[in-house]
Amino acid sequence: AQKVTQAQTEISVVEKEDVTLDCVYETRDTTYYLFWYKQPPSGELVFLIRRNSFDEQNEISGRYSWNFQKSTSSFNFTITASQVVDSAVYFCALSGLETSGSRLTFGEGTQLTVNP
Amino acid sequence: EAGVTQFPSHSVIEKGQTVTLRCDPISGHDNLYWYRRVMGKEIKFLLHFVKESKQDESGMPNNRFLAERTGGTYSTLKVQPAELEDSGVYFCASSIRGYEQYFGPGTRLTVT
Repeated sequence: AQKVTQAQTEISVVEKEDVTLDCVYETRDTTYYLFWYKQPPSGELVFLIRRNSFDEQNEISGRYSWNFQKSTSSFNFTITASQVVDSAVYFCALSGLETSGSRLTFGEGTQLTVNP
Repeated sequence: EAGVTQFPSHSVIEKGQTVTLRCDPISGHDNLYWYRRVMGKEIKFLLHFVKESKQDESGMPNNRFLAERTGGTYSTLKVQPAELEDSGVYFCASSIRGYEQYFGPGTRLTVT
């Protein structure tokens, strides 16, 4: 079975602080993809990033960075110099190609609130 | 390019009634998925279409849920009869290859 755990239900920070959202996953597949999605107050899920299981390089996109570590089964997401517009629910997700094809298994989400 | 659209955005029905949710995927996306989020829990997979065929319906909770995708374009998800536990947000997503799924805004279903 596949599982994604986002232990932080809610995080509250002050603008310009750095914040890291944790994601731990479980899968028996050797080939899998990991994702982060953002759900702003408007409700839609916005795709942020996809990583495959063979690429452990960290990635940076502007103020966003992702740290993928297979040894600890973690795919953490850091926002540097947070802004009020970053306030949203963030979901980590997994798809294991061998057992589940392309369907996504999501964590419960982390509600991030950035206060001015 | 238009994104994934869903209709209605919000539906309130009584227990025992029928509701039909609609999803229009991004044009050219053969893969269409339904997911739902119940009571602030994780978003759970319901089913996956490839064109008009059901590729995977392992997440459908019971036979009160019926999904169709006529002609491989838009999809409908019917709940009949609705129960209280069906309340939640129903998301639709589409993709070309399955690896990057683009989600719609969701339909919030409230069963009273």
